[in-house]
Amino acid sequence: NAGVTQTPKFQVLKTGQSMTLQCAQDMNHEYMSWYRQDPGMGLRLIHYSVGAGITDQGEVPNGYNVSRSTTEDFPLRLLSAAPSQTSVYFCASSSFKSLAYGYTFGSGTRLTVV
Amino acid sequence: AQTVTQSQPEMSVQEAETVTLSCTYDTSESDYYLFWYKQPPSRQMILVIRQEAYKQQNATENRFSVNFQKAAKSFSLKISDSQLGDAAMYFCAYRSAGGGSNYKLTFGKGTLLTVNP
Repeated sequence: NAGVTQTPKFQVLKTGQSMTLQCAQDMNHEYMSWYRQDPGMGLRLIHYSVGAGITDQGEVPNGYNVSRSTTEDFPLRLLSAAPSQTSVYFCASSSFKSLAYGYTFGSGTRLTVV
Repeated sequence: AQTVTQSQPEMSVQEAETVTLSCTYDTSESDYYLFWYKQPPSRQMILVIRQEAYKQQNATENRFSVNFQKAAKSFSLKISDSQLGDAAMYFCAYRSAGGGSNYKLTFGKGTLLTVNP
């Protein structure tokens, strides 16, 4: 039972480069989301999805794209990386039936944009 | 929109002592869930304890307990018999019991707990 798998764990990008952070879950969770964690800011929601084909913006969506073609996968795309996107990124998922139990988190991706 | 406030950026405690981390939240909803997550240096987010707003009884998980004051919108975490392994960043989080966009978790900014031997 793998839970939520994020890849890569670490990444260094140059300003202007694009990349995709991968997130996959094997629990058949309907809800998936991406957060970024910055010092002193807690975790802030970037984008979320309530099912395949359905996505919506969170609190800090600018500079990021998402899509959800399957229940299992929810990739996060950085279109043109900027130093302000240096952060730790978490993918998290939840079942609609287990609202009371919080999220299952991936292990995070530390991204540095130089 | 809901907000979660953790007023203590850093706390410290002596090993074997008790420490309480504070959390307040703002919401107009009556049904919701509250959580405390622990993030050790490994970066993994670990659920410590949860509380359902409609339950008046405070949740307890071994050495971890909460003081849930619904009217005051307060949700503090008490760690008893603190251990070195309790050293971590602790996040308080809120989740609506409704559907749609309300599935999201709203986090506080965190409290960094240091445990001194």
